[in-house]
Amino acid sequence: DGGITQSPKYLFRKEGQNVTLSCEQNLNHDAMYWYRQDPGQGLRLIYYSQIVNDFQKGDIAEGYSVSREKKESFPLTVTSAQKNPTAFYLCASSIGGAASATNYGYTFGSGTRLTVV
Amino acid sequence: AQKVTQAQTEISVVEKEDVTLDCVYETRDTTYYLFWYKQPPSGELVFLIRRNSFDEQNEISGRYSWNFQKSTSSFNFTITASQVVDSAVYFCALSESRNFNKFYFGSGTKLNVKP
Repeated sequence: DGGITQSPKYLFRKEGQNVTLSCEQNLNHDAMYWYRQDPGQGLRLIYYSQIVNDFQKGDIAEGYSVSREKKESFPLTVTSAQKNPTAFYLCASSIGGAASATNYGYTFGSGTRLTVV
Repeated sequence: AQKVTQAQTEISVVEKEDVTLDCVYETRDTTYYLFWYKQPPSGELVFLIRRNSFDEQNEISGRYSWNFQKSTSSFNFTITASQVVDSAVYFCALSESRNFNKFYFGSGTKLNVKP
């Protein structure tokens, strides 16, 4: 079955460490996204990528970095510069890329819960 | 300013009651899409419905129905005869023609359905 796989499901990070969250999709979707969810809040966009080797900052990109070397993969690195990284991170993908004139919506992964210890 | 407002933070109902989740949006685009997603305790967001700005017909899918009214910029979601399995956080989202790839999510409404 096609879908999005996020790993790990739970991740613990020490202060000052960088950590990388994995996101892989086998849906052949062009666009991929990273969102952050904090308790009682909606989803906030961190980064998104419409095509391979290209990505754009979202609303809260500071302290995060991404790469898009392959269509299937969009890893997110939470750097030590991110002051409050404890949150639930959701990866998503969609069919449409930059040239899409129709929005079919997102498919989401099951998320990674990151905790700073 | 919030582009998508879900004023109801949390709603509790007893099983078999009907419940309506409100969503109000703000956009200047004439072409846009509205969505509802369900987030069960497992965390993954599940797509429920997509509606484009040119289609104001209400939609019914089983116990779920959606009322889209451009005049009031609202896209409300009603669950009829609620069940315990409906307990989840529900998100309304908007994407605009200027950048379909960017979604604006509301803050979510947590629905508790008690037996």
